Amino acid sequence: DVVMTQSPLSLPVTLGQPASISCRSSQSLVHSDGSTYLHWFLQRPGQSPRRLIYKVSNRDSGVPDRFSGSGSGTDFTLKISRVEAEDVGVYYCMQGTHWPWTFGQGTKVEIK
Amino acid sequence: EVQLVESGGDLVQPGGSLRLSCAASGFTFSNYWMSWVRRTLGKGLEWVANIKTDGSERYYVDSLKGRFTISRDNAKNSLYLQMNSLTAEDTAVYYCVIDDRGAPYWGQGTLVTVSS
Repeated sequence: DVVMTQSPLSLPVTLGQPASISCRSSQSLVHSDGSTYLHWFLQRPGQSPRRLIYKVSNRDSGVPDRFSGSGSGTDFTLKISRVEAEDVGVYYCMQGTHWPWTFGQGTKVEIK
Repeated sequence: EVQLVESGGDLVQPGGSLRLSCAASGFTFSNYWMSWVRRTLGKGLEWVANIKTDGSERYYVDSLKGRFTISRDNAKNSLYLQMNSLTAEDTAVYYCVIDDRGAPYWGQGTLVTVSS
């Protein structure tokens, strides 16, 4: 199985400041169809996960533009340009290129 | 509006069985692969199984093969997960998701607790 490794696992942030989460995969996530199925999710306390970014850098509908995704191959990053209170929760990267789809361990973002 | 509503979660004894259901609405169910994903305390989020649009292909995480069976009824817009020989490690919140090699929509989840 593809192992997804996130860092850091805990991220205390100051409101209004930027934040960045790294995700590395144990093998390339480029599919034979040319797409890279690397996505980012946020799970707020008491809620189901919500997808924020799909295929590396595309924001899902309704996701604020302070969220951005980048990367290629095995190395990916989620950035929040200015953290807001509603951004608190656990962030997961996930790959859908190689079955079984797998998630990272999660990064807990909290306000300092 | 896409809605996925899971049900069937319960407290069950080790070795027992349970069947989860997911009622889908707000999209053409028969056009989408569907999956079950679970969140455990120990392993975090884990993809369990997925099933093709017409049910002709099903894939499982290796560790669950033989114990869990995913199925669907397109006439009823419903997804199912039959779980047998349950152990404490299966204790989790189980989510029904649309599977486009990602998971754009999730249900609210149903809690399965395996304990004596």
